[in-house]
Amino acid sequence: AQSVTQPDIHITVSEGASLELRCNYSYGATPYLFWYVQSPGQGLQLLLKYFSGDTLVQGIKGFEAEFKRSQSSFNLRKPSVHWSDAAEYFCAVVPASGGSNYKLTFGKGTLLTVNP
Amino acid sequence: GAVVSQHPSRVICKSGTSVKIECRSLDFQATTMFWYRQFPKQSLMLMATSNEGSKATYEQGVEKDKFLINHASLTLSTLTVTSAHPEDSSFYICSARVSDRDYGYTFGSGTRLTVV
Repeated sequence: AQSVTQPDIHITVSEGASLELRCNYSYGATPYLFWYVQSPGQGLQLLLKYFSGDTLVQGIKGFEAEFKRSQSSFNLRKPSVHWSDAAEYFCAVVPASGGSNYKLTFGKGTLLTVNP
Repeated sequence: GAVVSQHPSRVICKSGTSVKIECRSLDFQATTMFWYRQFPKQSLMLMATSNEGSKATYEQGVEKDKFLINHASLTLSTLTVTSAHPEDSSFYICSARVSDRDYGYTFGSGTRLTVV
């Protein structure tokens, strides 16, 4: 069964500092990968996704992520964090084959706190 | 872009009553809708997958008689929590697959259910 691991439950950074949120997946076949952000009491907003091609993916709000097949990782990065980036971040995967009715599997999330 | 409108955003109900949550796709046809439950500071737990015109597929451990899902049209899916109890209090989120082509998923803004 596929799984997603986000090793960091909570990360605190200072505004203006760089950010990297880790995501590792376990899946036998090729996965499609996503990063979502959730503000308190809100739904999820897609930051970026990777299906194929260039392994460095650019997303909204200045975020990017790099797919590393050899490490089964899809880490999210931002060079300079803004206070408005404080939120919960979820990594998710879905089988490229569309198995299991295209169900997303989510990591447990990483809560980002931004200090002024 | 593809938008899913979820209502209500908050609802308080008495124990033993039923509550209906609606998700409407505003500018696309949602052939597949996913319903999630999210406990505080936790990830999303998939409850069921519904395809338009057919019965929903429930995840293991989810009571299908308590959480009734209807997906009667390509633009509307509903989740009814029947005979609600305080332990059903949670944050419920719907999500729709936007396209077969790019595995896009869009999420509703969530419903905070409190059963008193």
